[in-house]
Amino acid sequence: DAGVIQSPRHEVTEMGQEVTLRCKPISGHNSLFWYRQTMMRGLELLIYFNNNVPIDDSGMPEDRFSAKMPNASFSTLKIQPSEPRDSAVYFCASSFVVGGNQPQHFGDGTRLSIL
Amino acid sequence: SQQGEEDPQALSIQEGENATMNCSYKTSINNLQWYRQNSGRGLVHLILIRSNEREKHSGRLRVTLDTSKKSSSLLITASRAADTASYFCATAVNNNDMRFGAGTRLTVKP
Repeated sequence: DAGVIQSPRHEVTEMGQEVTLRCKPISGHNSLFWYRQTMMRGLELLIYFNNNVPIDDSGMPEDRFSAKMPNASFSTLKIQPSEPRDSAVYFCASSFVVGGNQPQHFGDGTRLSIL
Repeated sequence: SQQGEEDPQALSIQEGENATMNCSYKTSINNLQWYRQNSGRGLVHLILIRSNEREKHSGRLRVTLDTSKKSSSLLITASRAADTASYFCATAVNNNDMRFGAGTRLTVKP
């Protein structure tokens, strides 16, 4: 079975540019999560969707960050404009949640460097 | 924000030895999960223990949960070099909200 697929794996861009990260969750999963991982702050939940609807975006650091899930098989995380402090590894995870927490399945992340 | 805190931050052992990692958390939980992360990869789920369970086994893994102390431990027995990774605990407060700790970096020397 295909796992969670993220693209690109690496992204290097200059500050001020728009960055779009993409995620394809596991087929049949109804929840999708975006995380950011840094040495300083560890793994932070940015936003999660349930049945394609954003449920909690309180972890999104600023209005420069936005996330969409137009359908059950695709989600994007966009940063516009990007800043050097946005440099991190961004993970997407999915799970099938029915009446309680279930294990989350992570992609291999996008390593983002903003120069 | 993080809720779980792993201890120790780093652990180095010889192959064949047992490795014990601890996790403390602050609020009431529905369940607690342990994940492993190899360098450059995403997190991989290892085991889930519910708040009404005290101990769970999976292969060489043993997890305990003490809700009165708000703590959990992960024991890896007969460690192997391939167990070298970072290990995270994650606490679930409600259906979808999981918070991860900072992780324990385990090094198993061959």
